[in-house]
Amino acid sequence: ILNVEQSPQSLHVQEGDSTNFTCSFPSSNFYALHWYRWETAKSPEALFVMTLNGDEKKKGRISATLNTKEGYSYLYIKGSQPEDSATYLCATKGTNAGKSTFGDGTTLTVKP
Amino acid sequence: DGGITQSPKYLFRKEGQNVTLSCEQNLNHDAMYWYRQDPGQGLRLIYYSQIVNDFQKGDIAEGYSVSREKKESFPLTVTSAQKNPTAFYLCASSTTGGSIHEQYFGPGTRLTVT
Repeated sequence: ILNVEQSPQSLHVQEGDSTNFTCSFPSSNFYALHWYRWETAKSPEALFVMTLNGDEKKKGRISATLNTKEGYSYLYIKGSQPEDSATYLCATKGTNAGKSTFGDGTTLTVKP
Repeated sequence: DGGITQSPKYLFRKEGQNVTLSCEQNLNHDAMYWYRQDPGQGLRLIYYSQIVNDFQKGDIAEGYSVSREKKESFPLTVTSAQKNPTAFYLCASSTTGGSIHEQYFGPGTRLTVT
């Protein structure tokens, strides 16, 4: 993996469904991973930051895990609601690098 | 309220003209960033600055210029050398200490060049 890759590109689910998506990144030179939520007509907002292999973070119905050895992070949404509809971006930062590299995002649409 | 402001929200220019996009933050963040988003794509880094009077090229710096004369301001100039300037531009800022470094984003400027 040379870049940050997110899959799937888009996802349509029914209200109440649980869902998850993936962020894959180069496992070498890893420093931190951020998940952001970007709702339509708003600015991206940070959800989680994770730095250690095995990290798990949770905020309400949303949780994330991190595997730095194999270079992936999962974002889970339990019982999706229409207000969860957004594009979810992941971004990684290399060791001491000033910049982050973003994936193309996963766009989630939750139908009522 | 603390945050990042970008102006204007929509900007229209004729081909061949330089245009400057404004980005101001009152979060007292040392680092600031400029990203570009094209339809169906993620955020691509144009320039970033970790301290006043210093900045580095990102992944797609060609045709752009920046300055960082003040901590709170990081204007981006889209020059006539940028071949495809029509895009959505996002500015962000973050702290530089510790490991958190989450970025705070402005509302964006949509630039259309015809």
